[in-house]
Amino acid sequence: KQEVTQIPAALSVPEGENLVLNCSFTDSAIYNLQWFRQDPGKGLTSLLLIQSSQREQTSGRLNASLDKSSGRSTLYIAASQPGDSATYLCALHRGGGADGLTFGKGTHLIIQP
Amino acid sequence: DTAVSQTPKYLVTQMGNDKSIKCEQNLGHDTMYWYKQDSKKFLKIMFSYNNKELIINETVPNRFSPKSPDKAHLNLHINSLELGDSAVYFCASSQYGTAANEKLFFGSGTQLSVL
Repeated sequence: KQEVTQIPAALSVPEGENLVLNCSFTDSAIYNLQWFRQDPGKGLTSLLLIQSSQREQTSGRLNASLDKSSGRSTLYIAASQPGDSATYLCALHRGGGADGLTFGKGTHLIIQP
Repeated sequence: DTAVSQTPKYLVTQMGNDKSIKCEQNLGHDTMYWYKQDSKKFLKIMFSYNNKELIINETVPNRFSPKSPDKAHLNLHINSLELGDSAVYFCASSQYGTAANEKLFFGSGTQLSVL
């Protein structure tokens, strides 16, 4: 059974810092990995998707990497801003039909102005 | 236009009641999902429908019954509500449900409180 762990559970940093959020998983047989952002009272927004055959994806100040052999993914946020404050969730697609995602519990990020 | 919309946003009800949550997507996607986020913020899939056909039914009490009248709609009906059903329920959709490069699009959630 796939288990997804995100460390740290919470993180508070001053504005402008670069930071890394971590995600680890137990089964490397994945289809893809997605990073989501969840704002309070709102749904999830997909930030980046890395297919199983890929090593990283970039979007603006965000960069996500995937290392299947070690069962790890990281989300790098450059030059953090207060608007980046949210909960960041890592999720894996295990493949096989219209399957769902297995989520981690998220990292609650606060960027201090 | 909201891509995935679900109603109501908040639902407060008494134990034992029956309630429904509605979800609609205007993205033309084939696959829709229901996820449950518990009090510890842990998101877990409940159901998946592909073109109105049930694909995934995780370990969910049979008091929960999804219904898909067409591929743009996936409603969730809950019978005999219990205190433990209190959670936020998210609807989501994806293009096919099978492609490695397809993202999931989520609704804004329905916060269910059972008193």
